[in-house]
Amino acid sequence: EAEVAQSPRYKITEKSQAVAFWCDPISGHATLYWYRQILGQGPELLVQFQDESVVDDSQLPKDRFSAERLKGVDSTLKIQPAELGDSAMYLCASSFGPRDTDTQYFGPGTRLTVL
Amino acid sequence: QKEVEQDPGPLSVPEGAIVSLNCTYSNSAFQYFMWYRQYSRKGPELLMYTYSSGNKEDGRFTAQVDKSSKYISLFIRDSQPSDSATYLCAMSAGGSYIPTFGRGTSLIVHP
Repeated sequence: EAEVAQSPRYKITEKSQAVAFWCDPISGHATLYWYRQILGQGPELLVQFQDESVVDDSQLPKDRFSAERLKGVDSTLKIQPAELGDSAMYLCASSFGPRDTDTQYFGPGTRLTVL
Repeated sequence: QKEVEQDPGPLSVPEGAIVSLNCTYSNSAFQYFMWYRQYSRKGPELLMYTYSSGNKEDGRFTAQVDKSSKYISLFIRDSQPSDSATYLCAMSAGGSYIPTFGRGTSLIVHP
């Protein structure tokens, strides 16, 4: 069964350092999402891509976060510089399309700890 | 007040019990209602998907939506230890599939 791949699974960094997360969606899925899930909370959308274009990045802290999906396939989320409050699970999800009936499939996530 | 409220639990039940998980919401525009299961250190997995009001059954799982009360439920019959996970409700208003998630309820089914 096809799955969303993410790496690394765990990342520990010191504050002010740069970190990057990678996501490979299910083949054929045009829509890709990055979510942040703080411990004990539900996921919150950071950015949505349709192919290589950003559809929604209204909740992305653009002073320190950036995301790209250059060829409309895999995607990278970067944080520079990392802050203590960025410690969370970063989840990538993909779907065939952006409609309400298009199921989102989540990857296993990257657990970030900022010291 | 958050748009979606969900008791974080934990909810501990014996194997074989009927489990009831619930969420309330405030946005009357929500039309699509979902339940996700999330095991520890894993991403959420879609369990049930319901449009508008009514019931939907899938095996041991039943999802109910009461839009008049802004209240949704997930029932698990004959609960198993493998059902132990966090259950997240999510809902969206339509137009684009960006769900608003509850904080999740931790369920523990003990043998």
